[in-house]
Amino acid sequence: KAGVTQTPRYLIKTRGQQVTLSCSPISGHRSVSWYQQTPGQGLQFLFEYFSETQRNKGNFPGRFSGRQFSNSRSEMNVSTLELGDSALYLCASSTGPFYNGYTFGSGTRLTVV
Amino acid sequence: AQKVTQAQTEISVVEKEDVTLDCVYETRDTTYYLFWYKQPPSGELVFLIRRNSFDEQNEISGRYSWNFQKSTSSFNFTITASQVVDSAVYFCALSEFSSGGGADGLTFGKGTHLIIQP
Repeated sequence: KAGVTQTPRYLIKTRGQQVTLSCSPISGHRSVSWYQQTPGQGLQFLFEYFSETQRNKGNFPGRFSGRQFSNSRSEMNVSTLELGDSALYLCASSTGPFYNGYTFGSGTRLTVV
Repeated sequence: AQKVTQAQTEISVVEKEDVTLDCVYETRDTTYYLFWYKQPPSGELVFLIRRNSFDEQNEISGRYSWNFQKSTSSFNFTITASQVVDSAVYFCALSEFSSGGGADGLTFGKGTHLIIQP
C-alpha cells in the first residue's frame, strides 16, 4: 500500500515568489492536513481538508492557502514568499476527521532565499 | 487553548538503558486525543500511539509503553532496553474535538531529541 506522497522533496524559491506543494494521500483516505515545521516554532497546523472542503484552519496569514481535489489529492500554495516561510511542510492523510490516525508524508523542504 | 509541553529537549542514554519521555498537556475539553510520533532524520513522522481522553489504560507494545494520567495531565512514553535505532525526535501531540464535528488539527509539543549511544 503506497504511503502519503509529497512532491517535490526539495524546493528553493526567491523571496516574493509563490510556490505550490502537492500531496497525494493514501488510497481511500479523504482527509488531508498540512503542517509547517521550523526550528523556532516547531510543528504547526496549517489546515485540513475533507471531501474537498476546508474543515479546519490554523493561525497562519492568508498567504497560505490550500485546496483538495475530487481524488483527495491536495495542494497548498504560499504566495509572496518570505524568508521565514523556509520550513519542512508535512502532509498527513486520514480516512476521515474522526481520528483513525494520521499517516504523514516525508515532507517538502522549502528554502526561501 | 490547548498546549503540549515536552520539557526534555534532549536525552542521551547508553544502549539498553530504559528511558522515559515526558509529556504534559493543557486542554479545556473533556473529549480529546493524545498522540506520540517519532521523527527519524528522514523527516517523516511515524505514528506510534493514539489515546482518547476516556481511555486511561496504560498500553505496552513490545519495548514501548505509555502511561496516561488525567489527574496530572500527563502522557509519558517509556522505551525499555533502548536500542540505537530508537534515536530520533519524539513528539507528543493533542487534538480537541471540534465543535463542528470530528477533531481539530494536532497541537504538537516541541519534541524530545533522543540519542541512544552504542
